[in-house]
Amino acid sequence: EVQLVESGGGLVKPGGSLRLSCAASGFTFSSYSMNWVRQAPGKGLEWVSSISSSSSYIYYADSVKGRFTISRDNAKNSLYLQMNSLRAEDTAVYYCARPIGWGQGTLVTVSS
Amino acid sequence: NFMLTQPHSVSESPGKTVTISCTRSSGSIASNYVQWYQQRPGSSPTTVIYEDNQRPSGVPDRFSGSIDSSSNSASLTISGLKTEDEADYYCQSYDSSTWVFGGGTKLTVL
Repeated sequence: EVQLVESGGGLVKPGGSLRLSCAASGFTFSSYSMNWVRQAPGKGLEWVSSISSSSSYIYYADSVKGRFTISRDNAKNSLYLQMNSLRAEDTAVYYCARPIGWGQGTLVTVSS
Repeated sequence: NFMLTQPHSVSESPGKTVTISCTRSSGSIASNYVQWYQQRPGSSPTTVIYEDNQRPSGVPDRFSGSIDSSSNSASLTISGLKTEDEADYYCQSYDSSTWVFGGGTKLTVL
Protein backbone atom coordinates (compact mmCIF):
# COMPACT_ATOMS: atom_id res chain seq x y z
CA GLU A 1 0.00 0.00 0.00
CA VAL A 2 1.30 3.43 -0.95
CA GLN A 3 2.07 5.53 2.12
CA LEU A 4 3.17 9.14 2.03
CA VAL A 5 3.77 11.01 5.27
CA GLU A 6 4.51 14.74 5.24
CA SER A 7 6.16 16.70 8.00
CA GLY A 8 7.78 20.06 8.61
CA GLY A 9 4.82 22.41 8.48
CA GLY A 10 4.23 25.15 11.00
CA LEU A 11 3.83 28.86 11.61
CA VAL A 12 6.39 31.14 9.96
CA LYS A 13 6.64 34.91 9.51
CA PRO A 14 6.45 36.51 6.05
CA GLY A 15 9.84 36.33 4.40
CA GLY A 16 10.79 33.26 6.41
CA SER A 17 11.73 29.75 5.33
CA LEU A 18 10.49 26.24 5.95
CA ARG A 19 11.51 22.79 4.70
CA LEU A 20 8.86 20.15 4.16
CA SER A 21 9.62 16.43 4.02
CA CYS A 22 7.66 13.48 2.70
CA ALA A 23 8.52 9.91 3.69
CA ALA A 24 7.40 7.32 1.15
CA SER A 25 6.80 3.60 1.57
CA GLY A 26 4.86 0.77 -0.04
CA PHE A 27 6.21 1.31 -3.55
CA THR A 28 9.52 1.66 -5.39
CA PHE A 29 10.04 5.35 -4.70
CA SER A 30 13.02 5.69 -7.04
CA SER A 31 10.90 4.69 -10.04
CA TYR A 32 8.31 7.44 -9.83
CA SER A 33 8.00 11.15 -10.37
CA MET A 34 6.69 12.94 -7.30
CA ASN A 35 4.73 16.11 -6.72
CA TRP A 36 3.83 18.72 -4.16
CA VAL A 37 0.25 20.00 -4.23
CA ARG A 38 -1.23 22.62 -1.91
CA GLN A 39 -4.68 23.65 -0.79
CA ALA A 40 -5.34 27.06 0.71
CA PRO A 41 -8.06 27.20 3.38
CA GLY A 42 -11.46 26.70 1.75
CA LYS A 43 -9.97 26.57 -1.74
CA GLY A 44 -9.25 23.96 -4.40
CA LEU A 45 -6.12 22.00 -5.18
CA GLU A 46 -3.09 23.77 -6.68
CA TRP A 47 -0.10 21.94 -8.15
CA VAL A 48 3.18 23.35 -6.80
CA SER A 49 6.11 21.33 -8.15
CA SER A 50 7.18 18.05 -9.74
CA ILE A 51 10.43 16.12 -9.81
CA SER A 52 11.27 13.16 -12.04
CA SER A 53 12.44 9.84 -10.64
CA SER A 54 16.15 10.63 -11.05
CA SER A 55 15.79 14.37 -10.35
CA SER A 56 16.67 15.14 -13.97
CA TYR A 57 13.50 17.10 -14.61
CA ILE A 58 12.05 19.64 -12.20
CA TYR A 59 9.06 21.91 -12.71
CA TYR A 60 7.44 24.67 -10.65
CA ALA A 61 4.21 26.61 -10.71
CA ASP A 62 4.76 30.25 -11.63
CA SER A 63 3.49 31.25 -8.19
CA VAL A 64 6.47 29.63 -6.44
CA LYS A 65 9.21 29.73 -9.07
CA GLY A 66 12.42 31.22 -7.71
CA ARG A 67 11.31 30.79 -4.08
CA PHE A 68 10.68 27.05 -3.67
CA THR A 69 13.07 24.16 -4.39
CA ILE A 70 11.98 20.55 -4.76
CA SER A 71 14.42 17.71 -4.19
CA ARG A 72 14.48 14.01 -3.37
CA ASP A 73 16.74 11.40 -1.82
CA ASN A 74 15.98 8.00 -3.34
CA ALA A 75 18.25 6.25 -0.83
CA LYS A 76 16.04 7.57 1.96
CA ASN A 77 12.72 7.27 0.06
CA SER A 78 12.14 10.93 0.79
CA LEU A 79 10.85 14.01 -1.01
CA TYR A 80 11.53 17.58 0.10
CA LEU A 81 10.29 21.10 -0.52
CA GLN A 82 12.47 24.01 0.57
CA MET A 83 10.31 27.11 0.82
CA ASN A 84 11.97 30.53 1.03
CA SER A 85 10.64 34.10 0.98
CA LEU A 86 7.29 32.87 2.20
CA ARG A 87 4.21 35.02 1.72
CA ALA A 88 0.78 35.07 3.32
CA GLU A 89 -0.66 33.58 0.14
CA ASP A 90 1.53 30.49 0.61
CA THR A 91 -0.62 29.53 3.61
CA ALA A 92 -2.03 26.12 2.79
CA VAL A 93 -2.00 22.42 3.50
CA TYR A 94 0.85 20.93 1.48
CA TYR A 95 0.45 17.40 0.13
CA CYS A 96 3.00 15.01 -1.26
CA ALA A 97 1.29 13.19 -4.12
CA ARG A 98 1.42 10.69 -6.95
CA PRO A 99 -1.49 10.01 -9.32
CA ILE A 100 -2.23 7.05 -7.05
CA GLY A 101 -1.44 8.06 -3.52
CA TRP A 102 -1.61 11.19 -1.41
CA GLY A 103 -0.24 12.01 2.00
CA GLN A 104 -2.26 13.41 4.87
CA GLY A 105 -0.78 16.86 4.35
CA THR A 106 1.12 19.32 6.52
CA LEU A 107 -0.17 22.81 7.32
CA VAL A 108 1.96 25.83 6.56
CA THR A 109 0.79 29.14 8.00
CA VAL A 110 2.54 32.34 7.01
CA SER A 111 1.59 35.15 9.35
CA SER A 112 3.20 37.85 11.45
CA ASN B 1 -1.76 26.10 -21.26
CA PHE B 2 -5.29 24.88 -20.75
CA MET B 3 -7.95 24.85 -18.05
CA LEU B 4 -10.21 22.12 -16.75
CA THR B 5 -13.75 23.27 -15.97
CA GLN B 6 -16.05 21.41 -13.59
CA PRO B 7 -19.54 22.25 -12.36
CA HIS B 8 -19.37 23.93 -8.98
CA SER B 9 -21.87 21.56 -7.41
CA VAL B 10 -24.18 18.64 -8.12
CA SER B 11 -26.73 16.88 -5.97
CA GLU B 12 -28.58 13.61 -6.22
CA SER B 13 -30.47 11.16 -4.05
CA PRO B 14 -29.11 7.97 -2.51
CA GLY B 15 -29.26 5.02 -4.89
CA LYS B 16 -29.24 7.21 -7.99
CA THR B 17 -26.48 7.84 -10.53
CA VAL B 18 -24.58 11.10 -10.94
CA THR B 19 -22.07 12.22 -13.55
CA ILE B 20 -19.50 14.97 -13.01
CA SER B 21 -17.95 16.54 -16.09
CA CYS B 22 -14.49 18.01 -16.62
CA THR B 23 -14.06 20.01 -19.82
CA ARG B 24 -10.65 20.82 -21.27
CA SER B 25 -10.39 24.34 -22.70
CA SER B 26 -7.83 23.67 -25.42
CA GLY B 27 -6.00 20.70 -26.79
CA SER B 28 -7.47 17.22 -26.89
CA ILE B 29 -8.79 15.61 -23.71
CA ALA B 30 -7.47 12.34 -25.07
CA SER B 31 -3.88 13.55 -25.31
CA ASN B 32 -3.18 13.26 -21.58
CA TYR B 33 -4.50 10.96 -18.89
CA VAL B 34 -7.17 12.24 -16.51
CA GLN B 35 -7.35 11.38 -12.82
CA TRP B 36 -10.23 11.94 -10.41
CA TYR B 37 -9.75 12.60 -6.70
CA GLN B 38 -12.28 12.45 -3.89
CA GLN B 39 -11.86 14.70 -0.88
CA ARG B 40 -14.18 14.22 2.05
CA PRO B 41 -14.49 17.08 4.55
CA GLY B 42 -11.44 17.34 6.75
CA SER B 43 -9.53 14.65 4.85
CA SER B 44 -6.81 14.52 2.24
CA PRO B 45 -7.66 13.66 -1.37
CA THR B 46 -7.80 10.03 -2.48
CA THR B 47 -7.69 8.69 -6.00
CA VAL B 48 -10.91 7.16 -7.31
CA ILE B 49 -9.96 7.03 -11.02
CA TYR B 50 -6.56 7.15 -12.71
CA GLU B 51 -5.51 6.99 -16.37
CA ASP B 52 -9.00 8.01 -17.57
CA ASN B 53 -10.88 4.91 -16.44
CA GLN B 54 -8.79 2.78 -14.07
CA ARG B 55 -9.85 2.16 -10.48
CA PRO B 56 -7.26 1.77 -7.74
CA SER B 57 -7.66 -1.31 -5.62
CA GLY B 58 -10.26 -0.76 -2.95
CA VAL B 59 -12.35 1.70 -4.96
CA PRO B 60 -15.79 0.18 -5.60
CA ASP B 61 -16.93 -0.42 -9.16
CA ARG B 62 -19.72 2.11 -8.57
CA PHE B 63 -17.07 4.62 -9.65
CA SER B 64 -16.23 4.81 -13.35
CA GLY B 65 -14.38 7.24 -15.59
CA SER B 66 -14.57 8.02 -19.28
CA ILE B 67 -13.48 10.57 -21.85
CA ASP B 68 -15.48 12.00 -24.74
CA SER B 69 -13.52 13.55 -27.56
CA SER B 70 -16.63 15.12 -29.11
CA SER B 71 -17.18 17.32 -26.05
CA ASN B 72 -13.49 17.37 -25.14
CA SER B 73 -14.36 16.32 -21.64
CA ALA B 74 -13.82 13.63 -19.06
CA SER B 75 -16.56 12.32 -16.82
CA LEU B 76 -16.77 10.64 -13.44
CA THR B 77 -19.89 8.56 -12.94
CA ILE B 78 -20.96 7.30 -9.54
CA SER B 79 -23.81 4.81 -9.49
CA GLY B 80 -25.82 3.54 -6.52
CA LEU B 81 -25.02 6.73 -4.61
CA LYS B 82 -24.36 6.43 -0.90
CA THR B 83 -24.27 9.19 1.67
CA GLU B 84 -20.55 8.44 2.14
CA ASP B 85 -19.95 9.60 -1.45
CA GLU B 86 -20.71 13.16 -0.38
CA ALA B 87 -17.43 14.96 -1.00
CA ASP B 88 -15.52 17.31 -3.27
CA TYR B 89 -14.29 15.76 -6.51
CA TYR B 90 -11.39 17.10 -8.55
CA CYS B 91 -10.27 16.15 -12.04
CA GLN B 92 -6.59 16.45 -12.94
CA SER B 93 -4.62 16.13 -16.15
CA TYR B 94 -1.19 17.07 -17.49
CA ASP B 95 0.18 20.06 -19.37
CA SER B 96 3.58 18.81 -20.50
CA SER B 97 4.91 17.56 -17.16
CA THR B 98 2.87 19.82 -14.91
CA TRP B 99 -0.42 18.99 -13.25
CA VAL B 100 -3.61 20.90 -14.04
CA PHE B 101 -6.60 20.64 -11.68
CA GLY B 102 -10.23 21.39 -12.24
CA GLY B 103 -11.84 23.74 -9.75
CA GLY B 104 -13.64 20.92 -7.96
CA THR B 105 -17.25 19.80 -7.73
CA LYS B 106 -19.14 19.51 -4.47
CA LEU B 107 -21.34 16.42 -4.53
CA THR B 108 -24.29 16.46 -2.16
CA VAL B 109 -26.17 13.22 -1.57
CA LEU B 110 -29.56 13.95 -0.07
